[in-house]
Amino acid sequence: GAVVSQHPSRVICKSGTSVKIECRSLDFQATTMFWYRQFPKQSLMLMATSNEGSKATYEQGVEKDKFLINHASLTLSTLTVTSAHPEDSSFYICSARDVKDSFYNEQFFGPGTRLTVL
Amino acid sequence: KNEVEQSPQNLTAQEGEFITINCSYSVGISALHWLQQHPGGGIVSLFMLSSGKKKHGRLIATINIQEKHSSLHITASHPRDSAVYICAVVGGAQKLVFGQGTRLTINP
Repeated sequence: GAVVSQHPSRVICKSGTSVKIECRSLDFQATTMFWYRQFPKQSLMLMATSNEGSKATYEQGVEKDKFLINHASLTLSTLTVTSAHPEDSSFYICSARDVKDSFYNEQFFGPGTRLTVL
Repeated sequence: KNEVEQSPQNLTAQEGEFITINCSYSVGISALHWLQQHPGGGIVSLFMLSSGKKKHGRLIATINIQEKHSSLHITASHPRDSAVYICAVVGGAQKLVFGQGTRLTINP
């Protein structure tokens, strides 16, 4: 149980285009999902917290108009990188918390999406 | 100083050796994760613990809340254990704060 999927796993796009990344909880419902970014040889950095039915909470320094997050259902959150530039090339990872787990707050991670902007 | 410090940053060992990776943190936490990240990038949650000790197969994780320290042990290590191991603590607002990771290489 507790499987999180991401789509696509890898995407290459031209500078200036927008890219949408999906994060799905496959066998549980998630009121909260998290989006992380990881640059080469660095640890994960939280970008934003996505809450079902409400606006996402962005970390300091993350542009909300550039990284659009939509959490329209209990099993799906999307991250759209708008007008992507080469410096947005990174590994994007989502995680999700089971709505039934109000005590342990364990996060389950997706496999990640590698974005390359040319 | 980072809120979560791991040691060592890199570790190379021979197959069969007993491995220990350490994690110290300086903030109040409700729980601590040990994560494994393979070269492809995907992350697997190995353990989440808030006290004591947990064991899963050849992996053992311990935490000492008073000393703000956790260890991950691997017994009878194998080349397939080669990965980056990340300690992450659950801090304020249930957000994860990550260590910098320990790159483990097990040679046959």
